[in-house]
Amino acid sequence: GQQVMQIPQYQHVQEGEDFTTYCNSSTTLSNIQWYKQRPGGHPVFLIQLVKSGEVKKQKRLTFQFGEAKKNSSLHITATQTTDVGTYFCAGPGAGGTSYGKLTFGQGTILTVHP
Amino acid sequence: GAVVSQHPSRVICKSGTSVKIECRSLDFQATTMFWYRQFPKQSLMLMATSNEGSKATYEQGVEKDKFLINHASLTLSTLTVTSAHPEDSSFYICSASPGTGKQPQHFGDGTRLSIL
Repeated sequence: GQQVMQIPQYQHVQEGEDFTTYCNSSTTLSNIQWYKQRPGGHPVFLIQLVKSGEVKKQKRLTFQFGEAKKNSSLHITATQTTDVGTYFCAGPGAGGTSYGKLTFGQGTILTVHP
Repeated sequence: GAVVSQHPSRVICKSGTSVKIECRSLDFQATTMFWYRQFPKQSLMLMATSNEGSKATYEQGVEKDKFLINHASLTLSTLTVTSAHPEDSSFYICSASPGTGKQPQHFGDGTRLSIL
């Protein structure tokens, strides 16, 4: 079945440093979504990428979707302590609609040291 | 924005107890809801798809008799962990989306289940 791999599992940075997490799928994805989960909280939708090679920005966050639509990345510029949390990528699950059933990557746990 | 409410937020109970978790869409109707399970520092694993008015669809390896799902209305899905044991201790979380599936999933706050 479809697998979504995400690296690194953990990332510790000093405040102000940049951060990147990478996501790779075993199959071509119709879209990829990114979620953030704060410690003790629930996943919150950040963005969806649909087009091959798409790049979207949200303030200090930059999201990319690969040309082959099998990989994606999230880059945070100049991290802040508020960026702490686990970042998940997610692709459509087998048999699911675009936004429905999801297969999550393992997540990257980001720690930011002040 | 769309809000999904999940209750209770935390349950601690003895082995053998059955526990019911509710997932409600507060400001929209959801014909489909999803139930996930998450172990500490791990990813969300889809357990089942809850379908309003029909049987839930379970992922491979998930026991349907152990995890009973009922989706009796367009705003409520329940997950019952029957005869829970310590290995069932986990973070259970639901998600739902308004419309016809063209909008992102909104997650409930989750239920932390601890079986003693």
